[in-house]
Amino acid sequence: DIQMTQSPSSLSASVGDRVTITCRASQSISSYLNWYQQKPGKAPKLLIYAASSLQSGVPSRFSGSGSGTDFTLTISSLQPEDFATYYCQQSYSTLWTFGQGTKLEIK
Amino acid sequence: QVQLVQSGAEVKKPGASVKVSCKVSGYTLTELSMHWVRQAPGKGLEWMGGFDPEDGETIYAQKFQGRVTMTEDTSTDTAYMELSSLRSEDTAVYYCATVGRLVTYPATAYYYMDVWGKGTTVTVSS
Repeated sequence: DIQMTQSPSSLSASVGDRVTITCRASQSISSYLNWYQQKPGKAPKLLIYAASSLQSGVPSRFSGSGSGTDFTLTISSLQPEDFATYYCQQSYSTLWTFGQGTKLEIK
Repeated sequence: QVQLVQSGAEVKKPGASVKVSCKVSGYTLTELSMHWVRQAPGKGLEWMGGFDPEDGETIYAQKFQGRVTMTEDTSTDTAYMELSSLRSEDTAVYYCATVGRLVTYPATAYYYMDVWGKGTTVTVSS
């Protein structure tokens, strides 16, 4: 299976900060990388697909980049509603896998 | 617009099986590919498997091979995930999710889970 490793595992930031979360694949996955946001007690929500395509309805402060093995999710200016856990997920292999998650907390 | 309604919480004893349902509205199940993801308490997301539209087969994560069966009833637009030989480590919230697709030139297809059910809590306890 392709292993997905996110860093950091947790992050403290303030409203208005620019935040970057990194996801690294154990082998090249081209641009087959998706990002999800999950809030406590809720289902995950798709933010970014195909590494850099913004899902409809997702604010433009979210952006994704990267290809091959290294990817980033950037939030340009944190809003109160962005404090959540973020997961990357690869769909390059028929056996999909998630990263372990990055918990974004209020400083 | 697709909506997914999952069945209610379940409590099972070790060794038993559980069957979680996911009813589709807004589309027919034949138009969709369904995948399943679970999340143990306080843990991350874990992909269990789903329908691969590229080859028309259902793919299961190796961890669940032999214990999980994903089926569909197209007459009721309901997908099912059955997990057998339950153990305490299977206590989790189980989600169904539909798969979206982006096709780029010259015909590369990218897949992602775009619509999710609210989840079904399965508790395994003696």
